[in-house]
Amino acid sequence: GENVEQHPSTLSVQEGDSAVIKCTYSDSASNYFPWYKQELGKRPQLIIDIRSNVGEKKDQRIAVTLNKTAKHFSLHITETQPEDSAVYFCAASKGSSNTGKLIFGQGTTLQVKP
Amino acid sequence: DSGVTQTPKHLITATGQRVTLRCSPRSGDLSVYWYQQSLDQGLQFLIQYYNGEERAKGNILERFSAQQFPDLHSELNLSSLELGDSALYFCASSSSSGFGETQYFGPGTRLLVL
Repeated sequence: GENVEQHPSTLSVQEGDSAVIKCTYSDSASNYFPWYKQELGKRPQLIIDIRSNVGEKKDQRIAVTLNKTAKHFSLHITETQPEDSAVYFCAASKGSSNTGKLIFGQGTTLQVKP
Repeated sequence: DSGVTQTPKHLITATGQRVTLRCSPRSGDLSVYWYQQSLDQGLQFLIQYYNGEERAKGNILERFSAQQFPDLHSELNLSSLELGDSALYFCASSSSSGFGETQYFGPGTRLLVL
């Protein structure tokens, strides 16, 4: 079945360091991979996404890489700041025109220490 | 603010009861997705409606049902509630039904079953 594994479950870094969160997916038909950031008590917010026709996408301090062969994608945050502290979720969506349902990873709690 | 609204914000009820959660999508969005977020299960896809019709179903319990009305708002009905149904329930909307469309999440309804 469809499954997304996310690691690590918690990550603590010093301000200014980089953070990397990794996800693997089981369904080889998946071809859309968004990342959401959820602050405590708030809604998940999309921060970046990637489609299977590209291997990397960058937006300022955030980048996502995709390895379709390995069924693996990662979120990279550089020059971390305390406001980056939140729970990050990866997700995968199967290539289908009928539905965009997202299968989420279990989440990574990122703590950026000042 | 994502433009997606959900009511109520909080709901406290007893086991065996029935509740209705309401979601209004962003203006112009035709798809509504429902997700359940519990501490041990992360974000789980429940069901998707597109322009009034059910489009995809996840691991939604038989005690749960949903519908989307002509004005595109959606309701999630939870019946015969159990303690384990306590969770955050999010709806998300997107402009179409297919994959790769950004899903915008509402603020969620926090359900507590006592």
